[in-house]
Amino acid sequence: QVQLQQSGAELVKPGSSVKISCKASGYTFTSYDMHWIKQQPGNGLEWIGWIYPGNGDTKYNQKFNGKATLTADKSSSTAYMQLSSLTSEDSAVYFCAREGLTTTGVMDAWGQGASVTVSS
Amino acid sequence: DIQMTQSPSSLPASLGERVTISCRASQGISNNLNWYQQKPDGTIKPLIYYTSNLQSGVPSRFSGSGSGTDYSLTISSLEPEDFAMYYCQQDASFPWTFGGGTNLELK
Repeated sequence: QVQLQQSGAELVKPGSSVKISCKASGYTFTSYDMHWIKQQPGNGLEWIGWIYPGNGDTKYNQKFNGKATLTADKSSSTAYMQLSSLTSEDSAVYFCAREGLTTTGVMDAWGQGASVTVSS
Repeated sequence: DIQMTQSPSSLPASLGERVTISCRASQGISNNLNWYQQKPDGTIKPLIYYTSNLQSGVPSRFSGSGSGTDYSLTISSLEPEDFAMYYCQQDASFPWTFGGGTNLELK
């Protein structure tokens, strides 16, 4: 079955960077767009961007330009998101989610979320 | 960006009750509207895509409707496992945006 396994919780210092991983299994990793979504405590969901692992194409929410960088490693079927110049506003749970192939536009499988806490 | 407004933000309801959650877009989104459920443990799963299509494995008590800027999710008879957060999401244009969420809670 389709699974997206995300890396564990991170406690990082302001001004630093963090890289979150999302390991995919149960499907052809290179054929599906992978999206990333942010959820701050008590808040709703915010779309960050997507990557197509097949060729590395990316698209970002302009709000996250310069903040998030999406990459993918085909050999390990793993997608990554790096967040840079971290501030308290980046403290959140970050989800990876696969976009459907025949049902484009909907994210049909989600990771369990990775918590990032920015604190000195 | 397209703004998505969900109502109500909180919905107390009883087992067996029929409930409806609304979602309004700031501009027309041509039925490109999806619904998700988030459980208290944080797990998110898709329920409905393209306004009214049930995702595989989702019980038939869930249904969606709407057009233009106004959409809704209906649960015909609440089961214990339905008490959760619900979000709408538009994929008509980038950046994709979500509604603020509806907390469906046991009355």
